[in-house]
Amino acid sequence: QVQLQESGPGLVKPSETLSLTCAVSGYSISSGYYWGWIRQPPGKGLEWIGSIYHSGSTYYNPSLKSRVTISVDTSKNQFSLKLSSVTAADTAVYYCARVLVGYPDIDYWGQGTLVTVSS
Amino acid sequence: EIVLTQSPGTLSLSPGERATLSCRASQSVSSSYLAWYQQKPGQAPRLLIYGASSRATGIPDRFSGSGSGTDFTLTISRLEPEDFAVYYCQQYGSSPQYTFGQGTKLEIK
Repeated sequence: QVQLQESGPGLVKPSETLSLTCAVSGYSISSGYYWGWIRQPPGKGLEWIGSIYHSGSTYYNPSLKSRVTISVDTSKNQFSLKLSSVTAADTAVYYCARVLVGYPDIDYWGQGTLVTVSS
Repeated sequence: EIVLTQSPGTLSLSPGERATLSCRASQSVSSSYLAWYQQKPGQAPRLLIYGASSRATGIPDRFSGSGSGTDFTLTISRLEPEDFAVYYCQQYGSSPQYTFGQGTKLEIK
């Protein structure tokens, strides 16, 4: 059974960098699929942040591209998100997920982690 | 960028009734690239429909998807109590890029 688990600080100060890691079990990242991050502000809808392939190829939401870095560590079977210069608008539940290559299908999701941006 | 608009924003129905949820795209979307998700409070979304009309693994057959071009529909034939949730459509575009609709809340009447 494929499982994804997000980890990282739940509170980040404005202007700092949000950093999250997603540990994958039950499936090797190197075997394929895109691995992505999606966020959801409290009470609002879903926003795709970006995705990475095991080769390291990345694809970002144009609205966040200047602040986002997604990386992969195949030796640890995990991938990470960094979002710089955060503001209160970046407060959200952040999900990591497995995405079918070439399709929108997100078949496995992490449970999500709430990150609050506040001083 | 393709914008997905879902309607209605909220749908109030009773168990046993039929639910019809709409997703309209600002430009034509290939059916292969349209998916639907269900999200319950405090949970991650769950893939329901992929390729506009194919049910994901373990999804009951009361859920069905249809449509093409710019108009897509999710239908729940007979609502069960566990079906009351928020539903999102999603499309995949070149680059690749992913866009979600704003969601339809299905609530108990």
